Amino acid sequence: DGGITQSPKYLFRKEGQNVTLSCEQNLNHDAMYWYRQDPGQGLRLIYYSQIVNDFQKGDIAEGYSVSREKKESFPLTVTSAQKNPTAFYLCASSWGAPGNQPQHFGDGTRLSIL
Amino acid sequence: AQSVAQPEDQVNVAEGNPLTVKCTYSVSGNPYLFWYVQYPNRGLQFLLKYITGDNLVKGSYGFEAEFNKSQTSFHLKKPSALVSDSALYFCAVRDDQAGTALIFGKGTTLSVSS
Repeated sequence: DGGITQSPKYLFRKEGQNVTLSCEQNLNHDAMYWYRQDPGQGLRLIYYSQIVNDFQKGDIAEGYSVSREKKESFPLTVTSAQKNPTAFYLCASSWGAPGNQPQHFGDGTRLSIL
Repeated sequence: AQSVAQPEDQVNVAEGNPLTVKCTYSVSGNPYLFWYVQYPNRGLQFLLKYITGDNLVKGSYGFEAEFNKSQTSFHLKKPSALVSDSALYFCAVRDDQAGTALIFGKGTTLSVSS
């Protein structure tokens, strides 16, 4: 089945630690996205990528980094500079330019602080 | 600037009754509008979209939405609610003149009682 796989489902971060969230898609989509979801705040865009080796900052990119070395993979690193990382992180992908076509979402990674 | 608002945090409806989840938007150009649904601890699922054409858009699971340009609204509707429709619903918009990615509303929790 085609879809988006996020791993791990739950992740715990220690003080001063960087952690990486995995996102893989086999839908052959060009665009990929990372969102952060906090209760009552909807989804906020962290980064997005329209093509391999290219990505743009979203509204809340500070404290996060990404790479897009392969079309099917878009990992997100939550760095120690992100002081409030506890949230539900969602990865998505779509055909074409961002916002033109429906996005397909993974089932998320829940990140907590130890 | 583009923005989207969901004025109700929660909507309660009895099973079998019609339901409406409200969404209003603000864009400079023409809007691309989407509705998504999220079940607990899952990613978002696409319900329907409006790009151009007929103002009444039909989507998945019996949902529909009406685009109203003069009122800048895109309300989600269903003639007869099911208990299984209980979930978190998100409206999203992209401005074809200014936006590069979707902006999501804060979400509306729909609760359908039996």
